[in-house]
Amino acid sequence: QKEVEQNSGPLSVPEGAIASLNCTYSDRGSQSFFWYRQYSGKSPELIMFIYSNGDKEDGRFTAQLNKASQYVSLLIRDSQPSDSATYLCAVGPRQGAQKLVFGQGTRLTINP
Amino acid sequence: ETGVTQSPTHLIKTRGQQVTLRCSSQSGHNTVSWYQQALGQGPQFIFQYYREEENGRGNFPPRFSGLQFPNYSSELNVNALELDDSALYLCASSSRDAAKNIQYFGAGTRLSVL
Repeated sequence: QKEVEQNSGPLSVPEGAIASLNCTYSDRGSQSFFWYRQYSGKSPELIMFIYSNGDKEDGRFTAQLNKASQYVSLLIRDSQPSDSATYLCAVGPRQGAQKLVFGQGTRLTINP
Repeated sequence: ETGVTQSPTHLIKTRGQQVTLRCSSQSGHNTVSWYQQALGQGPQFIFQYYREEENGRGNFPPRFSGLQFPNYSSELNVNALELDDSALYLCASSSRDAAKNIQYFGAGTRLSVL
């Protein structure tokens, strides 16, 4: 079992719709959760982080965390073509300490 | 722009050679982590440096080594290069003393081993 699992996609969403990206993790001791966006040929860019169960909203982005189910998700509202990228879920063992464990990423395409 | 700079941007080496990659951390950050990202995969943790000492290591052989300098910049050295070492090498900067200690990535160095 992989430590962090994501559906590799591709996930295709029409412009203006909600894109939903999911991630599960195996280590119940994980405390910090991150979503990075990576455009082709570029480095990962942090877009959201969450530490507590529930929802966290930032603009068009909402991160959701359920530690009991070991599940993290990212919702992108009013999807734009510029949101087309690979989204990486990363999990940390404690609040930011030491390594991040990444999923393989979900490739998202927003269709105009 | 994260303020994390890496050099060089691209590098071509042949099998068996040695390579050194460099990273300057963001102002105010004292921790540097290195990751290897193969094509189509997520980044894999190589190691982390804090206060000039290795502070955690992933599943990479000893021919992957590093340094951190007093100004918190860092180097990643890879000896006896293998074809599978071809990847994007990412440096991430963070502040271990900050509550959230979020890691910010540089633009990466793309290494090709022929």
